[in-house]
Amino acid sequence: DTGVSQDPRHKITKRGQNVTFRCDPISEHNRLYWYRQTLGQGPEFLTYFQNEAQLEKSRLLSDRFSAERPKGSFSTLEIQRTEQGDSAMYLCASSPSGLAGNEQFFGPGTRLTVL
Amino acid sequence: DQQVKQNSPSLSVQEGRISILNCDYTNSMFDYFLWYKKYPAEGPTFLISISSIKDKNEDGRFTVFLNKSAKHLSLHIVPSQPGDSAVYFCAARYTGNQFYFGTGTSLTVIP
Repeated sequence: DTGVSQDPRHKITKRGQNVTFRCDPISEHNRLYWYRQTLGQGPEFLTYFQNEAQLEKSRLLSDRFSAERPKGSFSTLEIQRTEQGDSAMYLCASSPSGLAGNEQFFGPGTRLTVL
Repeated sequence: DQQVKQNSPSLSVQEGRISILNCDYTNSMFDYFLWYKKYPAEGPTFLISISSIKDKNEDGRFTVFLNKSAKHLSLHIVPSQPGDSAVYFCAARYTGNQFYFGTGTSLTVIP
């Protein structure tokens, strides 16, 4: 399977704990995006990488959220001191650069439940 | 601030008829628009797109229309098939590769 993969698919944690999600993009894609989706809403843009450079992070929800893509391949999204309001689906997407880069390939998402 | 809006949360259409899904946006700086389709327990899948310099793009049964003056785009599916039943999201690109998504329209195609 050469699509975008995310791990874990489900995460249940207690309020105040830190969580980290991983995304493996399609191998030849150099752009990587993180989104959050809550019930009844569309995906909400969080951050974007071009290779290892994080080019846009102003829309990360708070300073408890951080993302990395250290070698320009896989990426991690970390949420520190989780709150119940962080419960959502976290989606990762990747795309090539250039004109085709507008069309993103999404992973299946990581569903986070904060108790 | 919902910059991309899909005002119809659901739509039901008979098989073989046309499905029209609508999307409105507020930011005139959006330069590229896309439609995604989502099945339960899966991530969204790209369907069709259109640049802001065009007013129509067609791909098989799917056509997207863009009316920049009205800040409105629509997706036409003809003929509709039961397998088209899914949630459809419109999305718009802002400078710096930031994408804004609508809230989705759940399409049901009735056999």
